[in-house]
Amino acid sequence: GAVVSQHPSWVICKSGTSVKIECRSLDFQATTMFWYRQFPKQSLMLMATSNEGSKATYEQGVEKDKFLINHASLTLSTLTVTSAHPEDSSFYICSASSLADEQYFGPGTRLTVT
Amino acid sequence: AQSVAQPEDQVNVAEGNPLTVKCTYSVSGNPYLFWYVQYPNRGLQFLLKYITGDNLVKGSYGFEAEFNKSQTSFHLKKPSALVSDSALYFCAVRDGGATNKLIFGTGTLLAVQP
Repeated sequence: GAVVSQHPSWVICKSGTSVKIECRSLDFQATTMFWYRQFPKQSLMLMATSNEGSKATYEQGVEKDKFLINHASLTLSTLTVTSAHPEDSSFYICSASSLADEQYFGPGTRLTVT
Repeated sequence: AQSVAQPEDQVNVAEGNPLTVKCTYSVSGNPYLFWYVQYPNRGLQFLLKYITGDNLVKGSYGFEAEFNKSQTSFHLKKPSALVSDSALYFCAVRDGGATNKLIFGTGTLLAVQP
């Protein structure tokens, strides 16, 4: 149980375009989903926390207009990187939790912006 | 503010030998501590957690961790390392807020030599 999927697992896009990453909880209802960013050989940096049906809470320094997060249902959250640039290239990981339960992590999405 | 520190960027150990990956924490209130493992280009896998109770916590894949309140440590251990244990290990502490955010350490790369 407690499986979280991400789609796509990797994506290459051109500079200036937008890309959407999906995070799904497959076998439980996730009241809260988290989005992280990880640079090579570095730790996970929390970008934002989203609760189903409400606006995401962004961490300091994260541009909310650039990283659009939607959590429209208890099983799906999306992260859209708008007007992507090469510096947005990174490994994006989502996690999901139910109520105050622990977080379950997705397999990650490798974004490369050319 | 809650924080964890992993003082070693890398730990090298020979297969069959015991391993220890260090983590110290700083929290206000009761600590909720976690260990996760990450294989290359993958998301995080949960190993174990300490919430309350016995100081020695047993987790997945033969790993265990010892909670030491006086030393504010939560070191990850395994009696006999396997080559397949080679991965990136993260210690994390739950933020005290209602959203159960996780604060991650910088990670320790475990390399097990055959």
